[in-house]
Amino acid sequence: AQRVTQPEKLLSVFKGAPVELKCNYSYSGSPELFWYVQYSRQRLQLLLRHISRESIKGFTADLNKGETSFHLKKPFAQEEDSAMYYCALVNAGGTSYGKLTFGQGTILTVHP
Amino acid sequence: DGGITQSPKYLFRKEGQNVTLSCEQNLNHDAMYWYRQDPGQGLRLIYYSQIVNDFQKGDIAEGYSVSREKKESFPLTVTSAQKNPTAFYLCASSMEGTNEKLFFGSGTQLSVL
Repeated sequence: AQRVTQPEKLLSVFKGAPVELKCNYSYSGSPELFWYVQYSRQRLQLLLRHISRESIKGFTADLNKGETSFHLKKPFAQEEDSAMYYCALVNAGGTSYGKLTFGQGTILTVHP
Repeated sequence: DGGITQSPKYLFRKEGQNVTLSCEQNLNHDAMYWYRQDPGQGLRLIYYSQIVNDFQKGDIAEGYSVSREKKESFPLTVTSAQKNPTAFYLCASSMEGTNEKLFFGSGTQLSVL
C-alpha cells in the first residue's frame, strides 16, 4: 500500500531563515509526488510537482528515490509562507487517475 | 470565485439521519473526488468518479454513498451507517489526463448533534 508521511505536525521558523518540510513515502511502483498548500481562508491548491522541476514562490522539492523522500525547501522563509502544507503521491502509471494519497500535513509558521 | 462549489458550509446531523453534501463544478472536468479531512490525519479519499454514471470506492467508503448523474455534480451522502461522521469534507475535480492537479472546493464541516 502507498503511504505518505510528514513527520512534523508543526514547524516554526523566523523570517529569512531556511525552511525544510519533510516528506517520506512508501510505494512499490513509480510515483509522482506533489506539494499542496492551504493558506489561511483559502482553498487547498497545488504548489508544485516533482516532474516539473520548477520553483514556485521560492520553494523547490527534489525527489530522492533512494531515500524515498520529497522534502520541500526554501532558502529564505517569508511571513506569507505561513500555511498548511500537504505532501501527496499518485501512481505515475495513470491508472489511479488522480487518486492522491496525502500525508498528515505540516503547519508552517513564519515569525517576523 | 467560481470553479468548484460546495454547500452548505456547515451541516449538522442528528442520530440516524442521512445528510447530503453538494459539490458542483463549472470547469468541465471529467473527474471528481470526495476527501475527508480529520485533524492529524490529512486527507483520505472517500469516493471518486472518472466519468458520468461511474464512480469508485476510495479508501474509506463505508457509510457513504455518491452519484454522478451529471458531469457538473457529485453529491455525497453521509448515511446513518457512518458512525463517526464529524469531519471536514473536501470535494475536488481534475481534467482528464492531468491526474495530479486537483482543484478543491472550500469544504463542508459536518457535525453530529
